[in-house]
Amino acid sequence: GAVVSQHPSWVICKSGTSVKIECRSLDFQATTMFWYRQFPKQSLMLMATSNEGSKATYEQGVEKDKFLINHASLTLSTLTVTSAHPEDSSFYICSASLAQETQYFGPGTRLLVL
Amino acid sequence: KNEVEQSPQNLTAQEGEFITINCSYSVGISALHWLQQHPGGGIVSLFMLSSGKKKHGRLIATINIQEKHSSLHITASHPRDSAVYICAAETSGSRLTFGEGTQLTVNP
Repeated sequence: GAVVSQHPSWVICKSGTSVKIECRSLDFQATTMFWYRQFPKQSLMLMATSNEGSKATYEQGVEKDKFLINHASLTLSTLTVTSAHPEDSSFYICSASLAQETQYFGPGTRLLVL
Repeated sequence: KNEVEQSPQNLTAQEGEFITINCSYSVGISALHWLQQHPGGGIVSLFMLSSGKKKHGRLIATINIQEKHSSLHITASHPRDSAVYICAAETSGSRLTFGEGTQLTVNP
């Protein structure tokens, strides 16, 4: 199947700093990329949907100024957690899809904010 | 009430047993997904189906659109099948709404 990578796989940062997470589709061009967040013992929650070259669509309750999403190309989307706080500590997962096809998930990024 | 509900939440089986995980949804869907999440967090898409039945190796997924219900079956279960299995309903714009997952443990 298609391969989606995320970088970094884990990150520890101080409160107040910004963290950028990259999501890349390695062997296909993704028209749509999705960002999810998963807290311990909970299911995935969709944060936002991004289409290449356009602004991301955020889910209700997700602050677009705090979670900046850039989908600059068909193979790369970035999520920047700005001014991170301990409550932002979570597991962030991206997925990529091509034209209504199945979603391929990245391996996830564990973020710990101290 | 969640839009996507799975049962059971936890399931322990002996190696070789036939396993069934159920998923009910209350929204209109374009497709129903079954995903597998391993302890490290990585997610693998197992099935995407909009009608009938699909089979891949020892895994079988079925869906009944009228009853808004899907099942994932594992035949001849093996300890390496131990993982969290997640049902997700796909709605407009490829948006996925996830069930809470079923933690499966298969003992040798």
